[in-house]
Amino acid sequence: NAGVMQNPRHLVRRRGQEARLRCSPMKGHSHVYWYRQLPEEGLKFMVYLQKENIIDESGMPKERFSAEFPKEGPSILRIQQVVRGDSAAYFCASSPGQPQGDEQYFGPGTRLTVT
Amino acid sequence: AQSVAQPEDQVNVAEGNPLTVKCTYSVSGNPYLFWYVQYPNRGLQFLLKYITGDNLVKGSYGFEAEFNKSQTSFHLKKPSALVSDSALYFCAVSATSGGSYIPTFGRGTSLIVHP
Repeated sequence: NAGVMQNPRHLVRRRGQEARLRCSPMKGHSHVYWYRQLPEEGLKFMVYLQKENIIDESGMPKERFSAEFPKEGPSILRIQQVVRGDSAAYFCASSPGQPQGDEQYFGPGTRLTVT
Repeated sequence: AQSVAQPEDQVNVAEGNPLTVKCTYSVSGNPYLFWYVQYPNRGLQFLLKYITGDNLVKGSYGFEAEFNKSQTSFHLKKPSALVSDSALYFCAVSATSGGSYIPTFGRGTSLIVHP
């Protein structure tokens, strides 16, 4: 059973470009979470999605960031007009059911560098 | 708002000695508590969780954690450390009711096991 897949593993963008990060959850998992990790800041929740629905986006910046989890295909985290402060590791996680009490399975992350 | 404190940025221990990585939490109502480990350039891996029942929880790789409700703590322990245990450890909490069901993560503790 393949784990959570993320691609690309490393992404370099110039300021003002768009970044698209992809996440395929574990087989059988319909709940997807995106987190951002900055050095010495730990893991910050961004958004929680189920198929075709955003359940909780309370951690998502209100501008330039969006996420989707279509009926078919991977979940996408999209960052428009990237700035240097967006440089971070972005992790996707999935779970088989509701997040209450369920552990999450994490992908290897996408390391975004904005130059 | 729920929160997790990992008071030590780094813990150093000699191989073969017992180790403790500390975690305290704040949450409305009863907690779900988790420990994850992160190796360099990898995603987080689930170690163990407390949902209900026995306060001593056993997990992967010989790790265990003790839930202490009065002290709102969930310290991670291992009787005999291995060099291969060196990694970044994250504690997380979510609420069973009344708070956020999305886990809140601590900032992480770097465990260094010396040969």
